[in-house]
Amino acid sequence: AQRVTQPEKLLSVFKGAPVELKCNYSYSGSPELFWYVQYSRQRLQLLLRHISRESIKGFTADLNKGETSFHLKKPFAQEEDSAMYYCALAYSSASKIIFGSGTRLSIRP
Amino acid sequence: DVKVTQSSRYLVKRTGEKVFLECVQDMDHENMFWYRQDPGLGLRLIYFSYDVKMKEKGDIPEGYSVSREKKERFSLILESASTNQTSMYLCASSLSLAGGTGELFFGEGSRLTVL
Repeated sequence: AQRVTQPEKLLSVFKGAPVELKCNYSYSGSPELFWYVQYSRQRLQLLLRHISRESIKGFTADLNKGETSFHLKKPFAQEEDSAMYYCALAYSSASKIIFGSGTRLSIRP
Repeated sequence: DVKVTQSSRYLVKRTGEKVFLECVQDMDHENMFWYRQDPGLGLRLIYFSYDVKMKEKGDIPEGYSVSREKKERFSLILESASTNQTSMYLCASSLSLAGGTGELFFGEGSRLTVL
């Protein structure tokens, strides 16, 4: 069955330190993977998608099909990065999208 | 700018009541979704719809039903609310993966409390 796993419920790092939020997926086909972010009192919104291979707000994520991972990275954390982050997998022709359990990122000053 | 609007931000209902949660999107998206968001469990897909009158079960459809009579509107129905359905409910819409990027656009959420 398709699954998205985010092993860390909470990640706390100091400002300026590197950040890596882990995401592993289970899917036999060709995955479409996303990272979504929810800042305090805001709607859930797309941060980045693997097909774009883009960097958004300094974050990048690389799809590793061998390890079935899509970890989110940022070299230097900023306080405004504190938020809830969700990894998501889209599959099937009907565009079904499932999410992991989320990781709360807390940046300490 | 895509807008997904959920009609009720906060609801308090009693066990056994029938509950309707309404969602409207204004960008002509084919796909619409209902998730529930619970701490430690993330977002779990309840139902989704890829076309008018079409629906598919998600991972936790038990106790819920949906209705999509018009493309822009997707309703979530709790036939007989129970306390374990107390949660934040999120509606989302997207273009199909074939026609777009698959990006989901979310509503603000409806926080339901069942007493």
